[in-house]
Amino acid sequence: DQQVKQNSPSLSVQEGRISILNCDYTNSMFDYFLWYKKYPAEGPTFLISISSIKDKNEDGRFTVFLNKSAKHLSLHIVPSQPGDSAVYFCAASDINEGNTNAGKSTFGDGTTLTVKP
Amino acid sequence: SAVISQKPSRDICQRGTSLTIQCQVDSQVTMMFWYRQQPGQSLTLIATANQGSEATYESGFVIDKFPISRPNLTFSTLTVSNMSPEDSSIYLCSVGGQGVGYTFGSGTRLTVV
Repeated sequence: DQQVKQNSPSLSVQEGRISILNCDYTNSMFDYFLWYKKYPAEGPTFLISISSIKDKNEDGRFTVFLNKSAKHLSLHIVPSQPGDSAVYFCAASDINEGNTNAGKSTFGDGTTLTVKP
Repeated sequence: SAVISQKPSRDICQRGTSLTIQCQVDSQVTMMFWYRQQPGQSLTLIATANQGSEATYESGFVIDKFPISRPNLTFSTLTVSNMSPEDSSIYLCSVGGQGVGYTFGSGTRLTVV
């Protein structure tokens, strides 16, 4: 049972346009959501996060939206740039999980974003 | 944020052998996490390594197959034992969590032949 799903394995957009990456989750105990970006031959890099008490968090060109009732979040990148081309992972965690697993995140399969010049 | 040095970056190993992956952090951290990313799949948590206690393994992962050491607050190793081709993956260590973003090492790309 995959608790975090990214149903689009790939997305291609034109430079300057908006990129929208989607993520769905099933575990209602998740209360913290994160997006990571991964370039080839590198580890994932933390991009932006959102707590379940919010429905939007913005950081420069990146905005994450959370719809708790739908158990859905999305990452908007605007304007998209060729350097944004990477694999984007959605992750979710229950920060109140027992001490042993505090901070454990469950990851989606990733979406490969290609921004064309 | 912390900086993690992970090595080796890649290796090709014979089945039945073992490989030890090392992660060095530039600051003291309480917990380190080891993840695996199989081809075309998401990152899966193998275990959480606390200094001074045994690692906590996730369902499907056992200490005999993936022994972990955590001798101090800046260093950890993961050994992939008695390897088979199914162990071919990218292995990543990370720190952070607890509601904030992880910092990941650059990963170890393991190919078992």
